Amino acid sequence: EPEVTQTPSHQVTQMGQEVILRCVPISNHLYFYWYRQILGQKVEFLVSFYNNEISEKSEIFDDQFSVERPDGSNFTLKIRSTKLEDSAMYFCASSDILVPELHTDTQYFGPGTRLTVL
Amino acid sequence: TQLLEQSPQFLSIQEGENLTVYCNSSSVFSSLQWYRQEPGEGPVLLVTVVTGGEVKKLKRLTFQFGDARKDSSLHITAAQPGDTGLYLCAGAQAGGTSYGKLTFGQGTILTVHP
Repeated sequence: EPEVTQTPSHQVTQMGQEVILRCVPISNHLYFYWYRQILGQKVEFLVSFYNNEISEKSEIFDDQFSVERPDGSNFTLKIRSTKLEDSAMYFCASSDILVPELHTDTQYFGPGTRLTVL
Repeated sequence: TQLLEQSPQFLSIQEGENLTVYCNSSSVFSSLQWYRQEPGEGPVLLVTVVTGGEVKKLKRLTFQFGDARKDSSLHITAAQPGDTGLYLCAGAQAGGTSYGKLTFGQGTILTVHP
């Protein structure tokens, strides 16, 4: 069964460093998302991406964050200058077509990248 | 800002008991998804409900979407220790300026004791 994959599974970085989290969405999917989950808290939406541009972003997704689909398979989240409070699990998700009546807006999640900022 | 209130936050029951988890909102969702999440892993989809009043069954799990598409419930019959885990509800909005962003509930940590 197709699945979303993410690398690395765990990233440790120093405060102020740049990190790039990578995702390979399900191959025929068109909508891509990043979410994060701080330990013990809710899963929070960061950004959605469609047709090679950001379609929606949350207040969390400030100028330090960027997303890119550099080729036909990868979807990346870059944090330019990491802060201690960026420590969290970051989940990538994808869905095919947003037609709720056809049950096709279901999002499938990757296993996550645990980011630890020291 | 959309909110999805999930309750209870913790549930500890004996094997064989029944349980219900609730998700409530004042917002209307185009669909609602239930996930199960193991520690250190990503949410794994259980079901998507789309139509108001819809009921879906997955073995001993029954999912219902409210008529107004603002609330949902997950009912587990004869719970087993293997059902232990974190259950998440997430509402989606599509159309207009929204591209399917999911709003998650706080999660319900279920523990089923043998």
